Amino acid sequence: GDSVTQMEGPVTLSEEAFLTINCTYTATGYPSLFWYVQYPGEGLQLLLKATKADDKGSNKGFEATYRKETTSFHLEKGSVQVSDSAVYFCARVKAAGNKLTFGGGTRVLVKP
Amino acid sequence: GAVVSQHPSWVICKSGTSVKIECRSLDFQATTMFWYRQFPKQSLMLMATSNEGSKATYEQGVEKDKFLINHASLTLSTLTVTSAHPEDSSFYICSALRGDTEAFFGQGTRLTVV
Repeated sequence: GDSVTQMEGPVTLSEEAFLTINCTYTATGYPSLFWYVQYPGEGLQLLLKATKADDKGSNKGFEATYRKETTSFHLEKGSVQVSDSAVYFCARVKAAGNKLTFGGGTRVLVKP
Repeated sequence: GAVVSQHPSWVICKSGTSVKIECRSLDFQATTMFWYRQFPKQSLMLMATSNEGSKATYEQGVEKDKFLINHASLTLSTLTVTSAHPEDSSFYICSALRGDTEAFFGQGTRLTVV
């Protein structure tokens, strides 16, 4: 079935460090891929998305490229800030109107 | 971006009582909404898919008589936790689907059953 696997946290970084969160998905169908961010005490917010192979989603300095050959959608940011501390979820949706499948979430803590 | 409002943001109730959580899409119509449950430091678990004008579709292992879902209009879905018990304490999140694949999430409801 559909599944999403992402690296376990917590990931602790210093401000201005480089962040990578790995995410891989099962290659059933041609899914759209997403990264969501959840700040403490809040619901999820869409961070970025990609709908087909080789697409690059970007937002707020974060980027992720849809890699069909490695079934990956790794999230990166070149210089993190304390305000980036949150839980990040990788997700996929298989087809129109279908439900999202989430990875387990990765908690990121950025220290000043 | 689109706005989904979830109410209340937190609620404390006594064991045995029922609690209703509302999910509203404020600036778009959503024929499909989803209800999730999130345990501390864990991912979201899909509970059910709420379809406007028809019965909700529940995921395996989710008791439909305990978690009643009503999607009476294109902008409102409700989740009622009936006869709540402490083990039902959790963070409940809804999302509304705009178009085919754009999902927007509510801010979540923290339910504590005492």
